[in-house]
Amino acid sequence: QLQLQESGPGLVKPSETLSLTCTVSGGSISSSSYYWAWIRQPPGKGLEWIGSIYYSGSTYYNPSRESRVTSRVTMSVDTSKNQFSLKLSSVSAADTAVYYCARQGDGYNPPFDYWGQGTLVTVSS
Amino acid sequence: DIVMTQSPDSLAVSLGERATINCKSSQSVLYSSNNKNYLAWYQQKPGQPPKLLIYWASTRESGVPDRFSGGGAGTDFTLTISSLQAEDVAVYYCQQYYSTPYGTFGQGTKVEIK
Repeated sequence: QLQLQESGPGLVKPSETLSLTCTVSGGSISSSSYYWAWIRQPPGKGLEWIGSIYYSGSTYYNPSRESRVTSRVTMSVDTSKNQFSLKLSSVSAADTAVYYCARQGDGYNPPFDYWGQGTLVTVSS
Repeated sequence: DIVMTQSPDSLAVSLGERATINCKSSQSVLYSSNNKNYLAWYQQKPGQPPKLLIYWASTRESGVPDRFSGGGAGTDFTLTISSLQAEDVAVYYCQQYYSTPYGTFGQGTKVEIK
C-alpha cells in the first residue's frame, strides 16, 4: 500500500522560506506513470494545486495569477531516498495552510489517488 | 487556465434522499482522441485529506459505494449521492486533469444533513 508522509517545520516566520519533504513508501517515486504533487488548503478554504514534479526532475508550477506562488516555489526530487520536496520563499500569512503531498496520474492513470495526511504550516513571527 | 465552478456552495439533504452537486468547467475537458472526460471528484471529511471518489467523470475508485455516481461530459458534470448516509457529510470537490500535470479544483460543495 502506497503511503506518503509530509515533514517539516510547522511554524515559519514571515519573509522566510517554507521547506517541506514528502517521503513515499510502499512504491517507487521513479514510476514513469506518475507525477508527485503539492497541494495546499488554507484554514476553512478550498484546495489549491501548487505544483508537480516528475521523477526525472521536470517541474510544473501553478501559473495562475490568483495562486501567487509561481515565482516563489521550487520543487525537487531525490529518487535515492524516495522523497520529493517543496520550497516556498518569501512567505506571508497568506501562505498559512495545510500542505498535502499526493501522487498524480500522468493522464493515463487516475489523478491524485494517494495523499499524505497533510501538515499545517503557520506563518507567524 | 481552466476554471472549475461548482454549485451550490452548500446543500442540506435528508437522510436517504438524493444529493446532486454540479461542476462546470470554463472549457471542455473531453479529450477527443480517447473520448474521455478528464474530470474527477473528491470527498473531504473534517481533519482528513481528500479522497478520490470518481475519475474519468464516471468511474468509481475501488471501494467507493455505488450510491456515488458521476455523470456529464464536455463542460458540465454532476456528482450524485443516491441515498445520503450520515457518513457522507463532507465537502466535495471536482477537479479537471485535462491539462495534466496542471490541475485545478472547484471551490467545493459542503453537504450536510437536513
